[in-house]
Amino acid sequence: DVKVTQSSRYLVKRTGEKVFLECVQDMDHENMFWYRQDPGLGLRLIYFSYDVKMKEKGDIPEGYSVSREKKERFSLILESASTNQTSMYLCASSQWRGSNNEQFFGPGTRLTVL
Amino acid sequence: GDSVTQMEGPVTLSEEAFLTINCTYTATGYPSLFWYVQYPGEGLQLLLKATKADDKGSNKGFEATYRKETTSFHLEKGSVQVSDSAVYFCALEGVDSSYKLIFGSGTRLLVRP
Repeated sequence: DVKVTQSSRYLVKRTGEKVFLECVQDMDHENMFWYRQDPGLGLRLIYFSYDVKMKEKGDIPEGYSVSREKKERFSLILESASTNQTSMYLCASSQWRGSNNEQFFGPGTRLTVL
Repeated sequence: GDSVTQMEGPVTLSEEAFLTINCTYTATGYPSLFWYVQYPGEGLQLLLKATKADDKGSNKGFEATYRKETTSFHLEKGSVQVSDSAVYFCALEGVDSSYKLIFGSGTRLLVRP
């Protein structure tokens, strides 16, 4: 069974802390994505990567960075967490750079910043 | 830019009722269209998709038809079950969006026994 796993289901951090969210996929997918999910706003793309060490900004990259050192792992970094980054974070992966490819999602990490 | 608009929820239905969740989009060209479902406590999973005008996607009793003339991709099911309670997201992949998906805001469905 194909899987995208995220390091934590729930995380509580304090303002100003550096936060790492980890995502691992076992499908040998080229593309990986980080979204945040907020009520009434749907999913918004933060960053994505189409290859190892490659990254592109999504729609809301401010306050975030990413790292992809290995094909199966894509990390989201909050350099200095703020309360407005309290949200559900979803990682996804897909196979090709071509179109119409299904994205597979992890279960999400609910981050609370106090 | 490209965008997706979904009807606001929550939608509350009794078991065996007919379901429609409206979705309209704005995009150039002919985008691919998707419905994803998120069950409680889980990530999103693909429910169905359509890649060209007049295509009908179907899965698990759900259907949606790609209507270019009305720029719509409404989700329907003839008889819902309690187990269909979830949040449903309409999404598009634009012609020039580089395999990124643009999601609607989601519609929560609650089915009562």
